[in-house]
Amino acid sequence: LAKTTQPISMDSYEGQEVNITCSHNNIATNDYITWYQQFPSQGPRFIIQGYKTKVTNEVASLFIPADRKSSTLSLPRVSLSDTAVYYCLVGGGKLIFGQGTELSVKP
Amino acid sequence: NAGVTQTPKFQVLKTGQSMTLQCAQDMNHNSMYWYRQDPGMGLRLIYYSASEGTTDKGEVPNGYNVSRLNKREFSLRLESAAPSQTSVYFCASSERTLYNEQFFGPGTRLTVL
Repeated sequence: LAKTTQPISMDSYEGQEVNITCSHNNIATNDYITWYQQFPSQGPRFIIQGYKTKVTNEVASLFIPADRKSSTLSLPRVSLSDTAVYYCLVGGGKLIFGQGTELSVKP
Repeated sequence: NAGVTQTPKFQVLKTGQSMTLQCAQDMNHNSMYWYRQDPGMGLRLIYYSASEGTTDKGEVPNGYNVSRLNKREFSLRLESAAPSQTSVYFCASSERTLYNEQFFGPGTRLTVL
């Protein structure tokens, strides 16, 4: 299972775009890249998943370069309610959650 | 459509006691999972069930047993609770194990004294 590395914490202000980058140098050919969001006292919630290039949904965008050794989660115009921990995961089935990135959005 | 439900929400045990955490999903998912989350840490997989009738160990299976009762239900049993098992336990389900879109329950907060 590929190990992921992401920043421990990030700060932002309301209305800004936030980009969280995750590195996964040992990603396997069949691995997907998935991001989860977790609020305090709740279970993680699936945000977005991709294999290559760019994926966009109503919540976020996921950018994956051609070598797939990293990925960037982009949250457009964040609000206070986006304050949460964001996890980057690679692989399938047996998910390995790292410590995640604690995003703090300030007014 | 309740998604993934877990019971109980909170539990306090004494060292050596046993208990079973219950999990059920109503999304007709094939795969189910049990995780634990310790303060300030990410989730760690305890056991998972790729499909009804099968179970496999995750990262931290010691001290736990699981039962995939049917397609809907997946229980986690602590036979002899230890203080090191104090944690928040999350159950999750997914359509299949190949992809990563897992749906999580609200969690069970367990304290072992």
